[in-house]
Amino acid sequence: EPEVTQTPSHQVTQMGQEVILRCVPISNHLYFYWYRQILGQKVEFLVSFYNNEISEKSEIFDDQFSVERPDGSNFTLKIRSTKLEDSAMYFCASDWQGEADTQYFGPGTRLTVL
Amino acid sequence: EDQVTQSPEALRLQEGESSSLNCSYTVSGLRGLFWYRQDPGKGPEFLFTLYSAGEEKEKERLKATLTKKESFLHITAPKPEDSATYLCAVPQFLSGNTPLVFGKGTRLSVIA
Repeated sequence: EPEVTQTPSHQVTQMGQEVILRCVPISNHLYFYWYRQILGQKVEFLVSFYNNEISEKSEIFDDQFSVERPDGSNFTLKIRSTKLEDSAMYFCASDWQGEADTQYFGPGTRLTVL
Repeated sequence: EDQVTQSPEALRLQEGESSSLNCSYTVSGLRGLFWYRQDPGKGPEFLFTLYSAGEEKEKERLKATLTKKESFLHITAPKPEDSATYLCAVPQFLSGNTPLVFGKGTRLSVIA
């Protein structure tokens, strides 16, 4: 069964460093998302991406964040200068046709900022 | 105000003891309601999508139902492996591509 994959599974970084989280969405999906979940809290939307551009972003997704689809399979989230409060699980999700279609989530990357 | 509210926050059941989890939502013009299962340290795993009031879907010991204001996830004769957090989510926008808005989840523990 097709699935969303994410790497790395765990990333530890120093405050102020840049990190890149990687995702491979399901191959025939066209819409891509990043969410995050701070320990013990709700899953929160960060950004959605379609046709090589951002289609929606939340208040959390400030200038420190960027997304890219560098090739036909990968989808990346970059945090330019990490802060302690960026420590969270980051989930990539994808769906085929948008329009409230079912989103399938990856296993997540646990980001720890020291 | 939260758009999605789940109750209870935590539920502890004996193996075989059936119960229901609730998800109420305040969005108008619901475009779909999604149930996910989340194990500790893992990503949400898709369970069901419900699109209209009266709709029901089943998978093993789980059955999801939908009314105009809430959804229930019924778990029949649960087993310890059903222990997880169950998340409910709705589309944020009324049209177009849309992110999901999640509830806080119900943490279910099934004791053998």
